[in-house]
Amino acid sequence: EVQLVESGGGLVQPGGSLRLSCAASGFTFSSAAMHWVRQAPGKGLEYVSAISGNGGSTYYVDSVKGRFTISRDNSKNTLYLQMGSLRAEDTAVYYCARDRSFMFSAFDIWGQGTMVTVSS
Amino acid sequence: DIQMTQSPSSLSASVGDRVTITCQASQDINNFLNWYQQKPGKAPKLLIYDASILETGVPSRFSGSGSGTDFTFTISSLQPEDIATYYCQQYDDLPPAFGQGTKLEIK
Repeated sequence: EVQLVESGGGLVQPGGSLRLSCAASGFTFSSAAMHWVRQAPGKGLEYVSAISGNGGSTYYVDSVKGRFTISRDNSKNTLYLQMGSLRAEDTAVYYCARDRSFMFSAFDIWGQGTMVTVSS
Repeated sequence: DIQMTQSPSSLSASVGDRVTITCQASQDINNFLNWYQQKPGKAPKLLIYDASILETGVPSRFSGSGSGTDFTFTISSLQPEDIATYYCQQYDDLPPAFGQGTKLEIK
């Protein structure tokens, strides 16, 4: 079964750090570009970051650039999002998603999401 | 950045109704437009990609059309399980951007 499972969310203080993980199974992970998308409570979807299949190319939306780092370990079929200098506005459910084609197309497989709460 | 504007923001319809949602891009995005369905407490699900291609396994009552700046998403006959929020998303330019969503309810 094709599946993505996120973990690592939780409560963190403003200015703190957190690392999210996304474990993939059921497909050739190293061939797939991957993305992070977030959703603040009661709000819409917001694009966050992308990484190519071999990890050589990355992209960040301006609001997280310099604070978040996307990476992957293809030997472990796992995607990561290292989040630093966290702000209240980073509070959201974070979803990992697979790109169905090249690096930016449609997101055809999504994880269940992991909640990140930034609060003192 | 490209802005995506969906209308309406919410919609109430009866079972069996034809439902239409529109999505307008702030600039030409060719046909680089996807539609997702999100049920409460769940992850989004891809329904349509490249403006009009139905994702495998998605019921044929869902369809999409359009190109350039104006796009339409249609449910030909609304079913109770279609209650969800629907999002369009462009990928013609970076960053990929989602519309604000259309919340669909049963009347």
